[in-house]
Amino acid sequence: RKEVEQDPGPFNVPEGATVAFNCTYSNSASQSFFWYRQDCRKEPKLLMSVYSSGNEDGRFTAQLNRASQYISLLIRDSKLSDSATYLCVVRAGGGNKLTFGTGTQLKVEL
Amino acid sequence: GAGVSQSPSNKVTEKGKDVELRCDPISGHTALYWYRQSLGQGLEFLIYFQGNSAPDKSGLPSDRFSAERTGGSVSTLTIQRTQQEDSAVYLCASSSDSYGYTFGSGTRLTVV
Repeated sequence: RKEVEQDPGPFNVPEGATVAFNCTYSNSASQSFFWYRQDCRKEPKLLMSVYSSGNEDGRFTAQLNRASQYISLLIRDSKLSDSATYLCVVRAGGGNKLTFGTGTQLKVEL
Repeated sequence: GAGVSQSPSNKVTEKGKDVELRCDPISGHTALYWYRQSLGQGLEFLIYFQGNSAPDKSGLPSDRFSAERTGGSVSTLTIQRTQQEDSAVYLCASSSDSYGYTFGSGTRLTVV
């Protein structure tokens, strides 16, 4: 079983739609959680951290369910510029090494 | 510099040759990481340096791969006797704390 699992997509949505991505992780000792965004042929960039209480940054909302080992990202009012691959990222306890999911591809269309 | 700098940005090499990839992290960042990403695949951890501690080499795929970090700053990833399956984008990242990483733009390695 992969340490971090994501649906690869692609998710094709119209502009203005709300879309949600899910991710599961296998290591119950994981302590930090992130969503990264990766544009085609570019490096990954930090989108947001994920906190136990849930957190929001503009149109983006991230949630964590430790009991189910599940992370989600909700994007409201999708823009064409949101088209990218979204990587679910987990840090296990005891170090700084991050484990990346293979990503979920989002395509926002007119 | 303002960001993580990697060189070269592209490298084409013949099978069996050695290559060196360079990473210059953000000044003051104590942690430095190497990952690779093959076409359409996720990021694969290779090696991690943290301050003066022994590096975590657990992700290096074979003994043809090695890396060093000199003076707690610049890092070099060396691949000896390159094989076609080594073709990938090699990404370096640095961080200063337990927050996320900042990645460089990567070196695209093609072994022909």
